[in-house]
Amino acid sequence: DAKTTQPNSMESNEEEPVHLPCNHSTISGTDYIHWYRQLPSQGPEYVIHGLTSNVNNRMASLAIAEDRKSSTLILHRATLRDAAVYYCILVTGANSKLTFGKGITLSVRP
Amino acid sequence: GAGVSQSPRYKVAKRGQDVALRCDPISGHVSLFWYQQALGQGPEFLTYFQNEAQLDKSGLPSDRFFAERPEGSVSTLKIQRTQQEDSAVYLCASSLDWQSPLHFGNGTRLTVT
Repeated sequence: DAKTTQPNSMESNEEEPVHLPCNHSTISGTDYIHWYRQLPSQGPEYVIHGLTSNVNNRMASLAIAEDRKSSTLILHRATLRDAAVYYCILVTGANSKLTFGKGITLSVRP
Repeated sequence: GAGVSQSPRYKVAKRGQDVALRCDPISGHVSLFWYQQALGQGPEFLTYFQNEAQLDKSGLPSDRFFAERPEGSVSTLKIQRTQQEDSAVYLCASSLDWQSPLHFGNGTRLTVT
């Protein structure tokens, strides 16, 4: 499976936008870019996914570079409840199997 | 609506005991996954079912681990002769089909003493 690279951690202030980067230089044409997050003591939660075009939903936006070798998850206004580990995952194949890395730990300051 | 439910939430087992962990997926979800998450690490894939068929068990760490989903809904992960290295959170996830996002339960935390 193609791998992703994320910083270990990031800090943000409450009510400010947050940009979480992800590099995936070996991405193939059929790989979807998925983001999940995991709050403390909970299972991972789906956030957003995309293939080539930027995507928006009620939780976040996903900006995908033109060459698809990187992407950025954007939280428009961080809240304390957004403090979590965020995983950027490439998904390919017919069974949606996810290969998690260590993710990026987001801390939100009040 | 109800999400993925896992039981028990916590399980303490003595080394050498057998344990069974249960997963109730979202009704109608075809795909079901089991993951193992060690402390401070991301979840690692164990096995995958499509309905009752176990299509991928490449992540099961040893033959002490066994999973089943006999009627294509509830699934059980069984670990025989537990060892200390089996201590982890075991996560279950389901999805409507192969194109849909996964919905995770909150896991069972297994501690082997």
